[in-house]
Amino acid sequence: DGGITQSPKYLFRKEGQNVTLSCEQNLNHDAMYWYRQDPGQGLRLIYYSQIVNDFQKGDIAEGYSVSREKKESFPLTVTSAQKNPTAFYLCASSIWREAPEQYFGPGTRLTVT
Amino acid sequence: GQSLEQPSEVTAVEGAIVQINCTYQTSGFYGLSWYQQHDGGAPTFLSYNGLDGLEETGRFSSFLSRSDSYGYLLLQELQMKDSASYFCAAASNNAGNMLTFGGGTRLMVKP
Repeated sequence: DGGITQSPKYLFRKEGQNVTLSCEQNLNHDAMYWYRQDPGQGLRLIYYSQIVNDFQKGDIAEGYSVSREKKESFPLTVTSAQKNPTAFYLCASSIWREAPEQYFGPGTRLTVT
Repeated sequence: GQSLEQPSEVTAVEGAIVQINCTYQTSGFYGLSWYQQHDGGAPTFLSYNGLDGLEETGRFSSFLSRSDSYGYLLLQELQMKDSASYFCAAASNNAGNMLTFGGGTRLMVKP
């Protein structure tokens, strides 16, 4: 079955540590995205990528970094520079950047204490 | 900038019809999508309006009026499983063709 996988589902880290969230898709989609969702809020775009080895900042990129070395993979690193990293992180993909339909992974809930 | 407004919460009874409104201020706007998200889950795509008018998909319909910068999602024959958050998302040329999401409307369906 095609889809997007994110791991782990729950992640706990101490303040000051970098942490990398995994996102893999086997849908053969060109575009991939990372969103952050806080309780009771909408989705805010962190980074997106149209093609391998290319990515662009979204609305809230500060304190985050990404890579796109393979079409299938788009990992997100939450660095110690992110002031309030505790949140629900969602990865998504679409056929191309303009596609209105995005497919989402199950999400990773990150708690930093 | 881009902004979308939705009611934060709507309550309805099973079997009823509910309308969730979305107004947007988005330069370079070219379409409105709707997503459903159950608690703790991933958003799933429901519908897209690239043109003015009504799009129907089973019990769900979505409407867009570009002149009013307004759209809505209509859910008919409500079921308990429809209890979820619903997000409108605007696609805009000026935002690098990205989707900008509204804050979401939490729908509670009661027996």
